[in-house]
Amino acid sequence: DSGVTQTPKHLITATGQRVTLRCSPRSGDLSVYWYQQSLDQGLQFLIQYYNGEERAKGNILERFSAQQFPDLHSELNLSSLELGDSALYFCASSVQGNNSPLHFGNGTRLTVT
Amino acid sequence: DQQVKQNSPSLSVQEGRISILNCDYTNSMFDYFLWYKKYPAEGPTFLISISSIKDKNEDGRFTVFLNKSAKHLSLHIVPSQPGDSAVYFCAASPRLTFGEGTQLTVNP
Repeated sequence: DSGVTQTPKHLITATGQRVTLRCSPRSGDLSVYWYQQSLDQGLQFLIQYYNGEERAKGNILERFSAQQFPDLHSELNLSSLELGDSALYFCASSVQGNNSPLHFGNGTRLTVT
Repeated sequence: DQQVKQNSPSLSVQEGRISILNCDYTNSMFDYFLWYKKYPAEGPTFLISISSIKDKNEDGRFTVFLNKSAKHLSLHIVPSQPGDSAVYFCAASPRLTFGEGTQLTVNP
């Protein structure tokens, strides 16, 4: 158990809808990362937060947004969903921003129909 | 632009032999490298890391080698065990850019 909790585990929704994925980092970790893994693809970095502030942005679509709250949990909002957004979304946390191992949750599997 | 590449999507080895997983990178700003292991239906788990000031780091059966001039790193697992069968990702920091992964299968 990595200590990172992601909810829900599975999500099925229709195109055009909006969903929110939630992540609780390990106790004491200040940094939260979001990754997307599409079928047979590697992990694509979306965005990183550190202690409530956006630290780095990767290949995150404008339809997607995220935030990290004062209690350090994070949410990833996906809107105007398309079929191609179907993927596994992983959250990870680390103690500090860079050069420390990430601890991953078990992911949220999003299916857009 | 894939800055971290794992060119072998799969690798099959016999139990007890050495597994060598390879990873190449293009960004010379990367200064910290990690290997993760992923089982189905689980998130990746951290395995071993290496700083760019070193060329080797060892932890039990796992050794990571870094060749900065070639921008290449490798993970050696010896002896390989059936429980090592998983997808292995290399990653580079800053920004934790991941490769596409290599499916390792260790046959009994």
